[in-house]
Order: sequence, then C-alpha cells, then structure tokens
Amino acid sequence: AQSVSQHNHHVILSEAASLELGCNYSYGGTVNLFWYVQYPGQHLQLLLKYFSGDPLVKGIKGFEAEFIKSKFSFNLRKPSVQWSDTAEYFCAVSPASGYNKLIFGAGTRLAVHP
Amino acid sequence: GAVVSQHPSRVICKSGTSVKIECRSLDFQATTMFWYRQFPKQSLMLMATSNEGSKATYEQGVEKDKFLINHASLTLSTLTVTSAHPEDSSFYICSARDSLTGNTIYFGEGSWLTVV
Repeated sequence: AQSVSQHNHHVILSEAASLELGCNYSYGGTVNLFWYVQYPGQHLQLLLKYFSGDPLVKGIKGFEAEFIKSKFSFNLRKPSVQWSDTAEYFCAVSPASGYNKLIFGAGTRLAVHP
Repeated sequence: GAVVSQHPSRVICKSGTSVKIECRSLDFQATTMFWYRQFPKQSLMLMATSNEGSKATYEQGVEKDKFLINHASLTLSTLTVTSAHPEDSSFYICSARDSLTGNTIYFGEGSWLTVV
C-alpha cells in the first residue's frame, strides 16, 4: 500500500534559520510528489511538485525540494525561514499514471519565532 | 486564480440527523473532485473520488451508505453524512481537479463538522 511518512511532527525555529522537513514514501511504481502548505485558517496551497526531470524542484516563497529516488525521499528545504512561514506542511504522493488521489503524510507543524 | 469553495465552513448537528457539505469550483470545471477527512493532529485521509455524472469511488473502509456523494454538475459535489454520530465529527476537505489543465488540483477551505 502507498504511504507517506513525515519524520518531524513539530518543528520550532528562529527566523533566518534553515529548514529541512523530511518526507519518505512507499510505492511500487512511478510517483508524482507534492508539498502543500496550510497557513492558519486557510486552505491547502501547493508549494511545489515533482513529476519528472530535474530532481531539484523550486517552488514558491523560496522553498525547494529534492527527489532522491534511491531513498524514496522528497525533503523540503528553505535556507532562511521567516515568521510568515509558520504553517503546517504536508507531503503527498500520487501515482504517476494519473493526477488523481493524493496520499498525504501526517503533516509537520512549523513554528517560526521572531 | 482558481478557487474551490466549501459550505458550510462549520456545522453542528444532532446525533441521528444528516448534514450536507457542498464543494464548488468557482471558476473552472471539475469532472473529478475528492473528499478527504482530517482528524485532529492527523493527516488527510482520502474518503472518495467523486466523478461528475457517475457514482463515487470510495476508499477501503469508507461506508458509502453513510457518506453519500453526489457530483451532479461540473462545478458541484456534495457530501452528505447520514445518521451522524459523534465519531463522525471531523474536518472534511474537498479538492477539485481542473478538467481543462488536467493536472492542477485545488483545495477547499474545509468544513468542520461537530455531532452532538
């Protein structure tokens, strides 16, 4: 069965610190990978996605993620976080055969202190 | 940009009653919509895939007679929780796939259901 594992449930950082959120998935075939963000009181928004090509994907707001196929990982990174990055981050995977149902990780709550 | 709207955003209902949650794509057509459920401090779990004009496809373990899904038009899908019980209290989120682009999914803001 497909599954997504996010290693950190709760992360607390100071502004300007670097961020890396882990995401590993299990699936027997080719996948599409996503990171979504949910700011307090708002709906899920797509940060970035990987379908194919360059495994280093750049998204909005300075975020990037690297797909390492051998490790089944898709970690999210940002060199310098801001207070406004405080949110919950979800990694998700879908079969590459169709952009259909997404399997989500448990999410990581990020709190950035000024 | 594309927006998916859910209504109501919060609803409280009594045990045994039914409640309907609407999911609308406001500026695009969605042949496919998805319904998720999120328990506190847990991830989103896919409940069903809603296809316009046909029956929904339910994930394993989801009671189709309890969670009725109707996708009668290209911009509206509804989830009806029938004979609600307190354990049905949860956060329900829908997403809609833009039929034109085929590869963009937008999420609604979610609906909090509390069954008392």
